[in-house]
Amino acid sequence: AQRVTQPEKLLSVFKGAPVELKCNYSYSGSPELFWYVQYSRQRLQLLLRHISRESIKGFTADLNKGETSFHLKKPFAQEEDSAMYYCALTESGGATNKLIFGTGTLLAVQP
Amino acid sequence: AAGVIQSPRHLIKEKRETATLKCYPIPRHDTVYWYQQGPGQDPQFLISFYEKMQSDKGSIPDRFSAQQFSDYHSELNMSSLELGDSALYFCASSLGRNQPQHFGDGTRLSIL
Repeated sequence: AQRVTQPEKLLSVFKGAPVELKCNYSYSGSPELFWYVQYSRQRLQLLLRHISRESIKGFTADLNKGETSFHLKKPFAQEEDSAMYYCALTESGGATNKLIFGTGTLLAVQP
Repeated sequence: AAGVIQSPRHLIKEKRETATLKCYPIPRHDTVYWYQQGPGQDPQFLISFYEKMQSDKGSIPDRFSAQQFSDYHSELNMSSLELGDSALYFCASSLGRNQPQHFGDGTRLSIL
């Protein structure tokens, strides 16, 4: 079954500390992985997609097919990074690309 | 840049009433998706449309229906509302079926 697992409901770090938000997935085909961010009372925003291999707001994520992981990392957390982060997958090149979301990790960056 | 527009932003209904949620995609986007996010839950896919045809169906109750119109906007019709339907309903749009989805602000539906 298609599933996205984010093991941490809450991750609290101090400003300037490194951040790693974990995401593991199970999917039988060829998935496309995303990270979405939801700031307080705002819409879901696309942060990263694995095929872009880019860095947004200092965040990076590498798809590890061997470990079926797509962890989100940032070397130095900022207070404005505090938000809910959702890992999601969709079927790459398929007839449908509904997003399957993980349960989300709330990142709290303390001053 | 223009974003996905959803209306209304907030809606309060009573049990057994009906509700219609509207979604206006980003201009030129031809694909629309609906998601339901219950309190403290992750977004769950409901239904999607591509070029005005239903393209995929998720965990959408039979009491709900949706369609995409000629101008690509979409409406989610909900009948016989139940307390459990209280949630944030997101619409997303994309240019084509295999492109990133851009979300609206959502409609917060509260059932009393």
